Amino acid sequence: GAGVSQSPSNKVTEKGKDVELRCDPISGHTALYWYRQRLGQGLEFLIYFQGNSAPDKSGLPSDRFSAERTGESVSTLTIQRTQQEDSAVYLCASSLYTYEQYFGPGTRLTVT
Amino acid sequence: AQSVTQLGSHVSVSEGALVLLRCNYSSSVPPYLFWYVQYPNQGLQLLLKYTSAATLVKGINGFEAEFKKSETSFHLTKPSAHMSDAAEYFCAVSDRDKIIFGKGTRLHILP
Repeated sequence: GAGVSQSPSNKVTEKGKDVELRCDPISGHTALYWYRQRLGQGLEFLIYFQGNSAPDKSGLPSDRFSAERTGESVSTLTIQRTQQEDSAVYLCASSLYTYEQYFGPGTRLTVT
Repeated sequence: AQSVTQLGSHVSVSEGALVLLRCNYSSSVPPYLFWYVQYPNQGLQLLLKYTSAATLVKGINGFEAEFKKSETSFHLTKPSAHMSDAAEYFCAVSDRDKIIFGKGTRLHILP
């Protein structure tokens, strides 16, 4: 079956613009995670959705970041008024409950 | 609260030598434990997982890890390193509510 997909694969934007990153999880997976990975760094947790529970937003770095998830389907991560420090690869992962996570290929965001 | 500590952000081993990447965890419940690998410019893929069955877990590419409850460890090993093992390795722990990743260890293979 299809894995986790993310779009776009690459995004270049000007400082101050808003961007939307999309994640399509594996069908039936109840949990969905967003991470940020800066160049040469580890995974930085951003937000976690589990079924119909309130999302865990504890990792969002500022109020410029927000995410939504439609049921147990697609998720969108929105970054408003982008800054150069937002440049990173944004990774999405999904899992069935909290068993192993399956990662998407990531979206490489470059803010110029 | 659960947490994961990976000792050594960079590890270098010679080709053919033993690979040992260290991971210690804390969890208030019996954990699920995972090792992921990230090759350059790629996403993460699962190497192996421990979910309370056998304590010695075998994964892909000749890697294995042993769950030691008394030491709260889940170290990753491979008897003989290959150049293709050069990558970033992440240990992760789940307490069934959330999965937490370590900061990663970059493995360098010396010819």
